Amino acid sequence: GAGVSQSPRYKVTKRGQDVTLRCDPISSHATLYWYQQALGQGPEFLTYFNYEAQPDKSGLPSDRFSAERPEGSISTLTIQRTEQRDSAMYRCASSFNTRETQYFGPGTRLLVL
Amino acid sequence: AQTVTQSQPEMSVQEAETVTLSCTYDTSESDYYLFWYKQPPSRQMILVIRQEAYKQQNATENRFSVNFQKAAKSFSLKISDSQLGDAAMYFCAYRSTTDKLIFGTGTRLQVFP
Repeated sequence: GAGVSQSPRYKVTKRGQDVTLRCDPISSHATLYWYQQALGQGPEFLTYFNYEAQPDKSGLPSDRFSAERPEGSISTLTIQRTEQRDSAMYRCASSFNTRETQYFGPGTRLLVL
Repeated sequence: AQTVTQSQPEMSVQEAETVTLSCTYDTSESDYYLFWYKQPPSRQMILVIRQEAYKQQNATENRFSVNFQKAAKSFSLKISDSQLGDAAMYFCAYRSTTDKLIFGTGTRLQVFP
């Protein structure tokens, strides 16, 4: 596609529910990153994929967070048993490879009540 | 571990004037990339400018330029002829050659007519 797209743009959920966020990267891009951005802060790394491989998931805050990219294209980020502290903007970025510039999607704003 | 510091939480500038946003970073690596991203009220993340550490020449993109001082680990952004549309949150970011982006806490820029 022309740019990185994410869905949904907004998600409101109740504490304890599971949520799944989707990222569709730029079609030629091998590398895909997930970041979490709290209000008033810079984005913080969660995990990344190189095609379908997931070389680094060191930023995932707990085992409630997981991500996958089974066919090396679209990726999903799942948060199980959501907590209020999970409320944030979740950003996806993609790049042609790990050395190239990352381009960000519009983000998914998650609110956990 | 690498860190990025933006010591100016807020800056303001008069339209058509020049403003400089500061950024310092800490790393033991010799090969890396530095970026400035702009986040307008829409909360998109837009790449402003990119600098490769091995290049001595400072990057320039139209009204945006950087002052990259590798020995001092400093990477400031200069915006010339400021426009109302430049008002945004600006994030400085560091990336090693094959790794995630590490962001600073951001500088909010206000532009006054």
